[in-house]
Amino acid sequence: QSVLTQPPSASGTPGQRVTISCSGSSSNIGRSAVNWYQHLPRTAPKVLIFSTDQRPSGVPDRFSGSKSGTSASLAISGLQSEDEGNYYCSAWDDSLNAWVFGGGTKLTVL
Amino acid sequence: EVQLVESGGDLVQPGGSLRLSCATSGFSFSSYEMHWVRQAPVKGLEWVTHITSSGSTIYYADSVKGRFTISRDNAKNSLFLQMNSLRVEDTAVYYCAREVRDSRRFGNFDIWGQGTMVTVSS
Repeated sequence: QSVLTQPPSASGTPGQRVTISCSGSSSNIGRSAVNWYQHLPRTAPKVLIFSTDQRPSGVPDRFSGSKSGTSASLAISGLQSEDEGNYYCSAWDDSLNAWVFGGGTKLTVL
Repeated sequence: EVQLVESGGDLVQPGGSLRLSCATSGFSFSSYEMHWVRQAPVKGLEWVTHITSSGSTIYYADSVKGRFTISRDNAKNSLFLQMNSLRVEDTAVYYCAREVRDSRRFGNFDIWGQGTMVTVSS
């Protein structure tokens, strides 16, 4: 049981917009920034969004992040086949003194 | 080029020990906080442990506390994970990751290694 809750799966067709949610609590998302990681098959995880809504250089602006209260969201617009993979939210938890991850969302491009 | 390369993964029996290494290059290792993150088969990412740049502060996930020890050698640009009393549930790919902070001191893991597989089985 992960501290952060994500839907196990999401899907969309090429060109569509998909949103992945991440629910936490006042000890993590409620007081800390949220990071999103993309984990494609046979590759190392990669930071997609950091500090809740910032994109590293090289990440397309099709990817965006937001937060409200104790929940965060990752939005992917203009869905592409190469976006297929697993997506994880993460935040520092002040109560646990630990980094926590969501259980991951497997994105399928139909 | 910034690189993290893990090694040391192996098949080990329950109760056994293993030491993982993470060799780094392309950046000033001694300036960065470092982490180990693992992924069990068919499971998600799980943060394992964290060490500050000087090694003075360390955090562990409850699942490994008392069994795993993180350390670093800044002179050799290397990170280590000593794993004792291994359990079947420790079976996973272990990644080392670098942490960077933004202007508000929020961190994220910006560089990851390719991982090394640890299998605990009799």
